[in-house]
Amino acid sequence: GENVEQHPSTLSVQEGDSAVIKCTYSDSASNYFPWYKQELGKRPQLIIDIRSNVGEKKDQRIAVTLNKTAKHFSLHITETQPEDSAVYFCAASISYSSASKIIFGSGTRLSIRP
Amino acid sequence: DAGVIQSPRHEVTEMGQEVTLRCKPISGHDYLFWYRQTMMRGLELLIYFNNNVPIDDSGMPEDRFSAKMPNASFSTLKIQPSEPRDSAVYFCASSAGSSGIGYFDEQYFGPGTRLTVT
Repeated sequence: GENVEQHPSTLSVQEGDSAVIKCTYSDSASNYFPWYKQELGKRPQLIIDIRSNVGEKKDQRIAVTLNKTAKHFSLHITETQPEDSAVYFCAASISYSSASKIIFGSGTRLSIRP
Repeated sequence: DAGVIQSPRHEVTEMGQEVTLRCKPISGHDYLFWYRQTMMRGLELLIYFNNNVPIDDSGMPEDRFSAKMPNASFSTLKIQPSEPRDSAVYFCASSAGSSGIGYFDEQYFGPGTRLTVT
């Protein structure tokens, strides 16, 4: 079955610097890759997603890149701010004939140093 | 819309007791998901429904867990009997549908139910 690995598990960056979180997936049939942000004690919320027919997507300070050949995708946050501190989860979704699956990575705890 | 509603927000129970978690999805959403989140195992999809029908329950850990969706506005996740290792935050999420085969649309998570089994 599908497996999603996420790195690093923790990341600390200086405010204003960039942060990069990477995920790899195992099943080349995966076709949808969302990223969720979970602040402490709160629910996960979608921040950006990418379909398999697109190589890159950007939304203000957040961008996601997808390399289908290498089966990895990355989240890039530029000009980090204190409110970016949270746990970030990547996920990969795959479709079968009768159902779809979504597998989440183990999460990255991002801390922004003032 | 008030978003996805879950109840209770916190549940403390003793081992062996039955636990029922409840979820009301966003009106009009066709998909409903149940997740479990723990430090050790991360965020795990337990089961999801499409138009009230269970589609994939392969994530349900064992027979002690069951989920139902009797109508479009209500779902339950039941654990009977509960065990200490079931302690976790259980999230319900709903989605408007899929943009195509295999594409889940954005999932909206509820606030979660923190379950503690002693």
